[in-house]
Amino acid sequence: GENVEQHPSTLSVQEGDSAVIKCTYSDSASNYFPWYKQELGKRPQLIIDIRSNVGEKKDQRIAVTLNKTAKHFSLHITETQPEDSAVYFCAAVRGGSSYKLIFGSGTRLLVRP
Amino acid sequence: EAGVTQFPSHSVIEKGQTVTLRCDPISGHDNLYWYRRVMGKEIKFLLHFVKESKQDESGMPNNRFLAERTGGTYSTLKVQPAELEDSGVYFCASSRRLAGEAGTGELFFGEGSRLTVL
Repeated sequence: GENVEQHPSTLSVQEGDSAVIKCTYSDSASNYFPWYKQELGKRPQLIIDIRSNVGEKKDQRIAVTLNKTAKHFSLHITETQPEDSAVYFCAAVRGGSSYKLIFGSGTRLLVRP
Repeated sequence: EAGVTQFPSHSVIEKGQTVTLRCDPISGHDNLYWYRRVMGKEIKFLLHFVKESKQDESGMPNNRFLAERTGGTYSTLKVQPAELEDSGVYFCASSRRLAGEAGTGELFFGEGSRLTVL
C-alpha cells in the first residue's frame, strides 16, 4: 500500500525566512497531494493541493512542487510569519475510486519573531 | 454553514472500559471518514462511510472498534474494551466528493476527540 514519508519532523525558522517541508510517496498511482495545516488545538485545514498533471502550484506565499519521477513533493513557505507556526501534514491519494488519504507524520514549524 | 463537530473533545477512561465518540459531518456530505493520530505519528485512516454504508474499513485496528452511521447522518466510533494503545486523537472528516476527484475533494476535519486510556 501507499506510504508517505515526511521530513523534517520539526523546523524552526526566523520570521521572514523561507521554510521547506518534503514528502516522498511510494505508490506511483497516487495522483492527488494535499497539504493540511493544524494550528495548536485546532482542526487540520487544507491549505494547498496539487494534482499529478501539474508540476508546481502557488498561492500567495505558499507553493507546492511535485516530481512524479522521483515521487516526491514539497511545500514551500516564503516570508514566514509567526502565524505560520503549526503542524503541517502532507498526504497522497489515488483519486477517483480510491479515497484514502495517506498522511505523512507531520512537521512542526516554529517561526521565531 | 456549521463545520464538522466531534464529541467529546477529550475522554479519559481506564483500560477495559468503553468509549463512544460521535461525529456530526457537514450537512449534505455523503462521505465521512475516521482517522486517528497517535502521539507524534501520522494521521492514519480508519474507515470511510458513503452515506450509511461502510465503503472501506481496512484501517480499523481490530474488532474492538465499531463504527456506525445509522441514517447516513452522524457517526459513532465505539472502542470496547479500550486498551492503552488506543490512546490518541480521533479525527472525523467529511467531504461532498471523494478525495482527489475533479472539483474539490477537500476533506473538512473536526477538531478531534482526544482519547486517553489509563
